[in-house]
Amino acid sequence: DVKVTQSSRYLVKRTGEKVFLECVQDMDHENMFWYRQDPGLGLRLIYFSYDVKMKEKGDIPEGYSVSREKKERFSLILESASTNQTSMYLCASSGAGGRETQYFGPGTRLLVL
Amino acid sequence: GENVEQHPSTLSVQEGDSAVIKCTYSDSASNYFPWYKQELGKRPQLIIDIRSNVGEKKDQRIAVTLNKTAKHFSLHITETQPEDSAVYFCAATSNTGGFKTIFGAGTRLFVKA
Repeated sequence: DVKVTQSSRYLVKRTGEKVFLECVQDMDHENMFWYRQDPGLGLRLIYFSYDVKMKEKGDIPEGYSVSREKKERFSLILESASTNQTSMYLCASSGAGGRETQYFGPGTRLLVL
Repeated sequence: GENVEQHPSTLSVQEGDSAVIKCTYSDSASNYFPWYKQELGKRPQLIIDIRSNVGEKKDQRIAVTLNKTAKHFSLHITETQPEDSAVYFCAATSNTGGFKTIFGAGTRLFVKA
């Protein structure tokens, strides 16, 4: 059974803080993704990675960076958190190629004050 | 940029009726179209998918159709049940740019008992 975990379910941070969101998958998946979910906007892709140390920008990468030093771990970094980054953040992983099921983590609800 | 439009945003049906959700995509290189279901407070999970070389796929009460010429794909749920109540997301994946997946904004389905 695929397991994707995220480091926190809820997080409260102050404007300007550096924020780290961690995602770990245990299925040896090549692809990993970070999305943010906002009401009425669906799931918007922030960054994705198809291999260790590889990253590609999604649709809304501004204000975010990512790190993938190990295959099982994909980190999302908010260099200087802002109130408009308050959102639900979902991580996902999938096997190699573009036509594989994405398995999602439980999400991290981030509030930036 | 590429986008996926999904309609309707909200759908209310009586138990036993059918529900149809429609999506259009813009990237002609898209070749994989998954549908995800997200129940309240839970993570999105794949319910059905279709590849670009297939026009229709069915799994029990759920079916998906794809019209590549018109860049349309639809989800059909027959004999709806209260447990079908959830948010449904369509998505389109392209092999260009490293298997980027674009999600629709979601449809909130209510099935009234």
